[in-house]
Amino acid sequence: DQQVKQNSPSLSVQEGRISILNCDYTNSMFDYFLWYKKYPAEGPTFLISISSIKDKNEDGRFTVFLNKSAKHLSLHIVPSQPGDSAVYFCAASFGTASKLTFGTGTRLQVTL
Amino acid sequence: SAVISQKPSRDICQRGTSLTIQCQVDSQVTMMFWYRQQPGQSLTLIATANQGSEATYESGFVIDKFPISRPNLTFSTLTVSNMSPEDSSIYLCSVALGTSGETQYFGPGTRLLVL
Repeated sequence: DQQVKQNSPSLSVQEGRISILNCDYTNSMFDYFLWYKKYPAEGPTFLISISSIKDKNEDGRFTVFLNKSAKHLSLHIVPSQPGDSAVYFCAASFGTASKLTFGTGTRLQVTL
Repeated sequence: SAVISQKPSRDICQRGTSLTIQCQVDSQVTMMFWYRQQPGQSLTLIATANQGSEATYESGFVIDKFPISRPNLTFSTLTVSNMSPEDSSIYLCSVALGTSGETQYFGPGTRLLVL
């Protein structure tokens, strides 16, 4: 049972444009959500997170939106840069310092 | 964040053998975790490494196959025992940081190939 889903396995965006990565979850008890970026042969790098009490969190070029009623979150990257090309994972947890449940990942390619 | 290192970074092993993976953090942390990423798959939690007590394993993972040690607040090991080709994966440790340990930071991973 995949509780966290990323339905787009890949996404291609032109440099300078907006990248929107989507994530859906099924368990309404999740209360903390995170986005990670992963390059090949490296561990995941934490990007940004959001608590279930918020609907938006922004950090530089990265913004995460949470729609609890739809059980949906999205990561916006503006403007997209070639260095953003990587696999992006969303993850969810119950409370603090608890296990992360990961989505299947979306491969983002930012083209020139 | 924290600086997390893992050894070895990669290894090729024969089936039936065991490999111990080390995870070192540059600061004391309460919560450490071990994850696995099988080829083409997402990350799955193997267990929570508890300092001073036995690890807490997720469904589908057992101590005999994946024994874990956590001798102090900066170090942990994961052993993959009696390996088979299905154990070929990337193994990652993570630590929970933040005000309430809500954010996990990951090590670089250990890429294991079992022949």
